[in-house]
Amino acid sequence: GAVVSQHPSRVICKSGTSVKIECRSLDFQATTMFWYRQFPKQSLMLMATSNEGSKATYEQGVEKDKFLINHASLTLSTLTVTSAHPEDSSFYICSASQASGRIGETQYFGPGTRLLVL
Amino acid sequence: AQTVTQSQPEMSVQEAETVTLSCTYDTSENNYYLFWYKQPPSRQMILVIRQEAYKQQNATENRFSVNFQKAAKSFSLKISDSQLGDTAMYFCAFMKGVAGANSKLTFGKGITLSVRP
Repeated sequence: GAVVSQHPSRVICKSGTSVKIECRSLDFQATTMFWYRQFPKQSLMLMATSNEGSKATYEQGVEKDKFLINHASLTLSTLTVTSAHPEDSSFYICSASQASGRIGETQYFGPGTRLLVL
Repeated sequence: AQTVTQSQPEMSVQEAETVTLSCTYDTSENNYYLFWYKQPPSRQMILVIRQEAYKQQNATENRFSVNFQKAAKSFSLKISDSQLGDTAMYFCAFMKGVAGANSKLTFGKGITLSVRP
């Protein structure tokens, strides 16, 4: 149980275009999903917290107009990188915790999406 | 704010041996959770073990166990009988004892563990 998928696993796009990444919880409902960015050999940097049915909460320094997050259902959150530039190239990972409302709920991670902007 | 420190960037261990990965954290919270995640070359983050701060007993999962020292704010991971598949980056993480949207993880910088055949 507790499987999280991401699509696509890898995407290459031209500078200036927008890219959408999907994060799905396959066998559980997730009230909250998290989006991270990771550079090679580095730790995960939290970008934003995605809340079902409400606006996302962005971490300091993350441009909310550039990284659009939508959490339309209890099993799907999307991250759209708008007007992508080469510096947006990175590995993006989502995670989800079950909608139990319990304290300390474990987060389960998707397999990640590698974005390359040319 | 919480901080998680993993001071060793790399470690190496011989197959079948035991290795301990260090982690310290700083927080003013009394109720919190600690995790070790593994990230193999595939880059899929995998939960290794979790510890509730209110529990004195150290968590154990098969070959993986922790040494949780709450007063010292230390949370080390011991891997027994190391296997080649244990080669990965390991992240220590902290979560405040809250539910929902505030339950975000704070990660350490990670440690790269190599298991030698």
